[in-house]
Amino acid sequence: QVQLQESGPGLVKPSGTLSLTCGVSGVSISSSNWWNWVRQPPGKGLEWIGEIYHTGSTNHNSSLTGRVSMSVDKSQNQFSLTLSSVTAADTAVYYCTSSGYSYAYDHWGQGILVTVSS
Amino acid sequence: DIQMTQSPSSLSASVGDRVTITCRASQSIRSYVNWYYQKPGKAPELLIYATSTLQSGVPSRFIGSGSGTDFSLTITSLQPEDFATYYCQQSSTIPRTFGQGTNVEVK
Repeated sequence: QVQLQESGPGLVKPSGTLSLTCGVSGVSISSSNWWNWVRQPPGKGLEWIGEIYHTGSTNHNSSLTGRVSMSVDKSQNQFSLTLSSVTAADTAVYYCTSSGYSYAYDHWGQGILVTVSS
Repeated sequence: DIQMTQSPSSLSASVGDRVTITCRASQSIRSYVNWYYQKPGKAPELLIYATSTLQSGVPSRFIGSGSGTDFSLTITSLQPEDFATYYCQQSSTIPRTFGQGTNVEVK
């Protein structure tokens, strides 16, 4: 079955760069799925970060323009998120997901808490 | 950006109750609405996609309906495992925005 697993540092310093990777198993990252990032600040709701296709095509939340980038590594069957110039407002649980029919998020990673603090 | 206004933000209910959560989009999103539920400390899980299609394994007590701008999720007979937070999401356009969530708690 499809499984996703986030990995990366759980603590990032203010003004630093957050880098996360999502390992995918059970399906090829080159399949007809979009691969997505969603975050959830502590005690708050879900925020869409962006999505990437295996061709490298991306879309992202305009509120993060200039700070966010995403990439796909087909050889490792994984995709990645980079968020620069982070502040405390970027503290959140970050989820990677796959989307299937109707762009619904049918599989989710377990989430990784990233805290921005000195 | 399309705003998804979800209501109520919280509700109290008992096992066996019929519960309805609504989601209103700021513009037409055709049938591109999805519903998720989330237990504390867990990742969200997909319940319904494309307004009314149940994700595999989801019980038939969950019913999604609506079109255009107004959508709803109904739980016909609330079960103990259904106490959770529910989110709608529009996947019609970028950004793929979520509603603010509805916390269904024990009465």
